[in-house]
Amino acid sequence: EAGVTQFPSHSVIEKGQTVTLRCDPISGHDNLYWYRRVMGKEIKFLLHFVKESKQDESGMPNNRFLAERTGGTYSTLKVQPAELEDSGVYFCASSHDPVDTSTDTQYFGPGTRLTVL
Amino acid sequence: AQSVTQLGSHVSVSEGALVLLRCNYSSSVPPYLFWYVQYPNQGLQLLLKYTSAATLVKGINGFEAEFKKSETSFHLTKPSAHMSDAAEYFCAVSRPTGANSKLTFGKGITLSVRP
Repeated sequence: EAGVTQFPSHSVIEKGQTVTLRCDPISGHDNLYWYRRVMGKEIKFLLHFVKESKQDESGMPNNRFLAERTGGTYSTLKVQPAELEDSGVYFCASSHDPVDTSTDTQYFGPGTRLTVL
Repeated sequence: AQSVTQLGSHVSVSEGALVLLRCNYSSSVPPYLFWYVQYPNQGLQLLLKYTSAATLVKGINGFEAEFKKSETSFHLTKPSAHMSDAAEYFCAVSRPTGANSKLTFGKGITLSVRP
C-alpha cells in the first residue's frame, strides 16, 4: 500500500511568487492534515480536512494560504504571495477513522521543503 | 491550550546503552500522547501512542514509554541503542475528543548513536 506522498520534495521560489504544494493521502483515508515546521521550531498544525470539508483551520497563518481538497482525495496548499517567513517544511498526514480521529494514527508524508528567497 | 516540552535538542549515546528521551506535557484535559520518529529523507513514523489504556506503552523497534500523570511526563526509553536508532524524535499531544485530533508537537530531539 502506498504511503502519503507529497510533491514537490523541494521548492525554491522568490518572495512574491506563488507556490502550490500537493499531498496524496493513503487511499481510503478521510482525514487529511497539513503541518509546517519552520527551521528550529516545532512542527505546527495548519488545518484538517474530513473528506472535502475543512474540519479545523485554526492553524492557518493568514489569508495568503489556501488549502483545498476537491473530491476528498488529494489536497493542495497554495501560498500566494509567498513571504520569507513561509520557508520551512510542509508535512501532510492522513488517517482513516472519520469518527474518533483523536486516537487514529496519522501517517505522515516526507514533506515539501519550501525556500522563499 | 496544550504544549509539549522536549528539553535539549540533541542526545548522544553509545551503541548498546540505554536511550532516554524526555517529554513533558501541559494539558487542561487528560491527553493522548504520541512519539514519532523521523529518519533522514522520510516522513514521521509513529513509534507508540498512549490513549488512556495501559500507562506503559510498548512500541516498535523496542521502544516504550510510560505515562505518568503526576509528573506530566511521557518519556521514551529503549534498553539498548542500535546504530539504526539515529534519527529525530518528536513527542506530541492531542485532545481526547473525537473530532479534535490535531497534534501539538515538541521541538524534537536528535538522537546520535556512537559505535
